[in-house]
Amino acid sequence: SQQGEEDPQALSIQEGENATMNCSYKTSINNLQWYRQNSGRGLVHLILIRSNEREKHSGRLRVTLDTSKKSSSLLITASRAADTASYFCATDLISNFGNEKLTFGTGTRLTIIP
Amino acid sequence: NAGVTQTPKFQVLKTGQSMTLQCAQDMNHNSMYWYRQDPGMGLRLIYYSASEGTTDKGEVPNGYNVSRLNKREFSLRLESAAPSQTSVYFCASSHPTDRGSPLHFGNGTRLTVT
Repeated sequence: SQQGEEDPQALSIQEGENATMNCSYKTSINNLQWYRQNSGRGLVHLILIRSNEREKHSGRLRVTLDTSKKSSSLLITASRAADTASYFCATDLISNFGNEKLTFGTGTRLTIIP
Repeated sequence: NAGVTQTPKFQVLKTGQSMTLQCAQDMNHNSMYWYRQDPGMGLRLIYYSASEGTTDKGEVPNGYNVSRLNKREFSLRLESAAPSQTSVYFCASSHPTDRGSPLHFGNGTRLTVT
């Protein structure tokens, strides 16, 4: 079963508005990552937040992590048409291994309406 | 600097045919991965290679074999293709020493098995 689940599955907003996506996971993690996937392309890493961090920023992106609720959110501020893509969270479980334990959610499809 | 390169981009096979998906990275990463992406399922790990000369099974290894030819190349082989293997296949690589380092993805191979 999937470790991470994004919510909502799909989101449409007007250009300029903020977009918020959520990710819930089931077991303790070492870190959580967010990726973007444009149609027909591979995934692109956006941001990584470690289990001992609560908030992280990168440009127009803001990620929060609540380990007590096993959830994370990705906020994209001042959305642009180019932000139209699918967004995935991925969790790195606590283990003795490296990224081979990186597990992806099913994604949120974000559409920005010009 | 091409990053992660996958070939071919598209492939159609008949049931029972075999093929090898090729992947090469030029970032000097030790770790390489093969994922498959199916609608509503997110990405699922097929096999990974933590370093040259080692390979291990991921979540869905049945029906696949891999070869870590050298540090740059990691191939995925379907010995006898089945319709259930119709999917988009992604190769990825990562830096070996940092826990939770981001994955770098290729643009995928779209495989249809009829």
